Amino acid sequence: AQKVTQAQTEISVVEKEDVTLDCVYETRDTTYYLFWYKQPPSGELVFLIRRNSFDEQNEISGRYSWNFQKSTSSFNFTITASQVVDSAVYFCALSEEISSGSARQLTFGSGTQLTVLP
Amino acid sequence: DAGVTQSPTHLIKTRGQQVTLRCSPKSGHDTVSWYQQALGQGPQFIFQYYEEEERQRGNFPDRFSGHQFPNYSSELNVNALLLGDSALYLCASSSRTGANVLTFGAGSRLTVL
Repeated sequence: AQKVTQAQTEISVVEKEDVTLDCVYETRDTTYYLFWYKQPPSGELVFLIRRNSFDEQNEISGRYSWNFQKSTSSFNFTITASQVVDSAVYFCALSEEISSGSARQLTFGSGTQLTVLP
Repeated sequence: DAGVTQSPTHLIKTRGQQVTLRCSPKSGHDTVSWYQQALGQGPQFIFQYYEEEERQRGNFPDRFSGHQFPNYSSELNVNALLLGDSALYLCASSSRTGANVLTFGAGSRLTVL
C-alpha cells in the first residue's frame, strides 16, 4: 500500500525567511509519480509540480525548489524568501505508474499548514 | 477558459438523507475523479469516471455512488448520510493525454447534522 507522511502539521515563519516542507513516502512500485499541491483558503488544490521516480534531479522554479531523494524516500519542498501570499496548506501526493493513459488515484499526505507572517 | 466547477458550494443535510454533488470538468478533459477531504486531513480518493464508467474506486462504502454524463460532467451521490460524511468533496478532472495532472475544483462543503 502507498503512504505519504508529512510530519510537520504547522509551520510559521516570518516573511523573507526560507522554509522547507518535508515529505516521506512509501510504495512498493518501482515506477511512481510524486506531486506537490497548494491549497489556499478558497479550497481549490493548485498543482505545483510532478516528478517521476526515475528523475532525481532537483528542480527550481522561481522561489520554489524540490529535492527528490529516492534513497531516503523523500520529496522535500523549499520556498525561498517566503511571502505572505505563500500562506496555505501544502500537500504532497503519490501515484503509481500511469497505464492506459488513465490518471491514477493520488494518495495524499495530511498536509502542512504554512503561515507566513509579515 | 473555465476550470473545474462544482455545485453547490455549501450544503447542510441531516443524518439519513441523500445528497447529490455536481461537477463540470475543465474544457478538454474527459476523466473525472472525486475526493473526500475531512477537516485537517488530506484528500482521500473516492472513485474515478471515464467514458461514463467507474474505472477506479477507493475504500468507500456503496453508499457512495457516481455517474458520468456524455458531456463528461459528473455527479457524486451519497445515501443514508452519516455525521462522518461531513467533509469537503473535491472534484478533479484530467485528460487521458494529460500526464496524470489533476485539475481540482474548489469543492462542495457538506455538513451533516
